[in-house]
Amino acid sequence: KQEVTQIPAALSVPEGENLVLNCSFTDSAIYNLQWFRQDPGKGLTSLLLIQSSQREQTSGRLNASLDKSSGRSTLYIAASQPGDSATYLCAVRHSSNTGKLIFGQGTTLQVKP
Amino acid sequence: EAGVVQSPRYKIIEKKQPVAFWCNPISGHNTLYWYLQNLGQGPELLIRYENEEAVDDSQLPKDRFSAERLKGVDSTLKIQPAELGDSAVYLCASSSGFLETQYFGPGTRLLVL
Repeated sequence: KQEVTQIPAALSVPEGENLVLNCSFTDSAIYNLQWFRQDPGKGLTSLLLIQSSQREQTSGRLNASLDKSSGRSTLYIAASQPGDSATYLCAVRHSSNTGKLIFGQGTTLQVKP
Repeated sequence: EAGVVQSPRYKIIEKKQPVAFWCNPISGHNTLYWYLQNLGQGPELLIRYENEEAVDDSQLPKDRFSAERLKGVDSTLKIQPAELGDSAVYLCASSSGFLETQYFGPGTRLLVL
């Protein structure tokens, strides 16, 4: 059974700092991995999607990497801003299932001005 | 383009009462998902529809939960009777295919007293 773990559960940093969020998964047979952002009281917004054949994806100040063999992904946020404060969730899609996403519990980020 | 619409946004009921949640997916999206998100946790899939057919409902507690997607567009998720442990956020998502990016609605926050 696939399990997804995110560490740390919460993180507080000063504005301008570069930071890394971690995601680990137990079954390396994944189809892709996705990072989402969730603001309080709102739904999830997709940030980056990495296919199993890819090593990383970049969007603006965000960079996500994937190491299937070790079952790990990281989300790098450069020059953090207060507007980055949210909960970040990673989710994996198994290579043989029907599209089901398995989510981690999320990392709640606070960027202080 | 309008996103996924859910209503109500908030619902407070007493235990043993019935409750229903409604979801309108993005136009043209054939795949619809209902997720349950407990506080501090990532979403967990309850049911997935391909058009009007429920193709993955293995995680739906069928003794009290039911769902329907008439005409392959809008969907309703029902709980009867509600229990205290059902207090959570119920998220609806849609995609153009089961391996495509999922777009989430804002969710319905349920509190059972």
